[in-house]
This record gives sequence, structure tokens and C-alpha cells, in this order.
Amino acid sequence: QKEVEQDPGPLSVPEGAIVSLNCTYSNSAFQYFMWYRQYSRKGPELLMYTYSSGNKEDGRFTAQVDKSSKYISLFIRDSQPSDSATYLCASKEPSGNQFYFGTGTSLTVIP
Amino acid sequence: GAGVSQTPSNKVTEKGKYVELRCDPISGHTALYWYRQSLGQGPEFLIYFQGTGAADDSGLPNDRFFAVRPEGSVSTLKIQRTERGDSAVYLCASSLGLVNTEAFFGQGTRLTVV
Repeated sequence: QKEVEQDPGPLSVPEGAIVSLNCTYSNSAFQYFMWYRQYSRKGPELLMYTYSSGNKEDGRFTAQVDKSSKYISLFIRDSQPSDSATYLCASKEPSGNQFYFGTGTSLTVIP
Repeated sequence: GAGVSQTPSNKVTEKGKYVELRCDPISGHTALYWYRQSLGQGPEFLIYFQGTGAADDSGLPNDRFFAVRPEGSVSTLKIQRTERGDSAVYLCASSLGLVNTEAFFGQGTRLTVV
């Protein structure tokens, strides 16, 4: 079992829709949770960074962590065609040396 | 520049050749990571540096892979006797430190072994 599991999609939504992207993880020691956006043939771009459980909002993006169920979510409101990309979730232990990534979910927002 | 810089952006090499991939982290970032990403997959950990030392090289697949960071800034990932299975995007990331800091990635080096 991978440390972080993510449905690869693909996910296709109309412009303006609310998008929900999800990951699960197995290591209860994970405390740091990240969402990256990756455009085709580009490096991952950090979108959201959260510590422990709770919600964090940044513009149209909301990251949510539920440590009791080991569930990580990213919500995108009023989705735009420019949001079309692969979204990667990642997790890390406080003293760990590496980030563990999901496989990424491919999102297409249709104009 | 302000971000993580990786060179070259693309590298095509023949099977059996030696390659070097370079990473220039964000100024002041002491932590540096190398990851490898295959098509349709998430990045997989290779090695982590804190300063000049390789604090964790548990992700290096075999002894053909080696990385250095002699002055605690620029890092070079070295691959000997390349194989077709080494073809992937090699990503470098840096962060201020190990704990409680975000990691920022470069654009990656796309390595193709023919």
C-alpha cells in the first residue's frame, strides 16, 4: 500500500463548477499536508500547505485535512479553464526527510 | 532568479552514457530534495540534503545514482551507465529547513535514454 493514495481521474467539469479533489493516507505520523498544481511538462507548483487537521482557505482554493479519517481534500470554487492541470497531494512527518506524493488527479475545466 | 533552477531542461543520452543534472536552489534554502517522476505518476523521493550532507539517500534506486552538494547550495545528480528505465523527469526542490517549511520545485530535467 502506498503512503498516499489518490484517484488519478481524469476529472472533467464545466467552467464555474466546484471541484473536489481527494487523497487518503496511511501514516498517522503525517502532520504536514500539501497540494501542488502541475501543468503539462512543468514542475509542481505549491498551492496549499497545512499543518495537522482543519481548513485553510486561499482565494478560490480550500484545503481540508481530517486526521481522524486520514483524508485530505482540495476544493476549487468557480473553476476556470486555467485550473486545468494535474493536482498532486503530498504529506510529511514533522521530522521526516521526504514528502510522500499521490499519483495526481488530472483535471480539465471545460469553457 | 527567485525560484529553483534546473539545467538542462531536456537531456537525451545513449544507453550506457554518464549524465549530470544540476539544481540551483532558492537562495538561503538549506534543505534540498531530488525526486523522480515517471509519466502518469507522482514524484518519488530519491535523496535529501541538509546543508552539504546527504541526510537521506534511501530513495536512490541503485549505486549508479549519486548526488553531491559540496558547498551547500548547488546540487548535481549523477547517473552512471544510464539505462532506458532511467528515462523520467528529475525534479529538484528546496525548502528553508526540514521542519514546518514548504518545498518549492524546479521545472525539472526531462531525461530520455535511447
